[in-house]
Amino acid sequence: GGIITQTPKFLIGQEGQKLTLKCQQNFNHDTMYWYRQDSGKGLRLIYYSITENDLQKGDLSEGYDASREKKSSFSLTVTSAQKNEMAVFLCASIPGTGVYAEQFFGPGTRLTVL
Amino acid sequence: KTQVEQSPQSLVVRQGENCVLQCNYSVTPDNHLRWFKQDTGKGLVSLTVLVDQKDKTSNGRYSATLDKDAKHSTLHITATLLDDTATYICVVGAVVGDNSKLIWGLGTSLVVNP
Repeated sequence: GGIITQTPKFLIGQEGQKLTLKCQQNFNHDTMYWYRQDSGKGLRLIYYSITENDLQKGDLSEGYDASREKKSSFSLTVTSAQKNEMAVFLCASIPGTGVYAEQFFGPGTRLTVL
Repeated sequence: KTQVEQSPQSLVVRQGENCVLQCNYSVTPDNHLRWFKQDTGKGLVSLTVLVDQKDKTSNGRYSATLDKDAKHSTLHITATLLDDTATYICVVGAVVGDNSKLIWGLGTSLVVNP
């Protein structure tokens, strides 16, 4: 079996700060995703990547950058943290690129902006 | 308008009882529907996927149905255990040509008490 790890687990930032979240998977999966999970809202796709150095925008990409440095890792940057922002950022991966494939999720990074 | 609606929003049962969670959606096309379990502070874990026009699946104490005509799915949990306490999320997959999208529900929060 494989595992997806996300670092850090908790992230506290200041308004306007640039913050980077990291995700690693050892499944050797092709496609990786970043989602944002807010209370009272369904998961929203920020970015995804189907292979190394590929980036595709999701519905919520504004305010974020992403980087797929190698097949196993996918980073997300909050370009300017918003005051009082609180959300969970979830990383996921699938083998191949098909939407039917089961997504495997990491445990999440919990962001709080003071 | 919410495209994937889950009910109830929250549910409390006693250990050993059965429960049923509902997922109604208005997504078109509706290629497949997946149920996930999310333990508090953790990532999502897939329970089952439904694909056919009228589909049924079984995975241990979890069983699910899908009726694409009614755009409705149910997740049944039999003989609940304390470890079933979690949020259950349904997601509908829509594939149009080369484009695919996942539309997420908000989840049902289940608490199983001793």
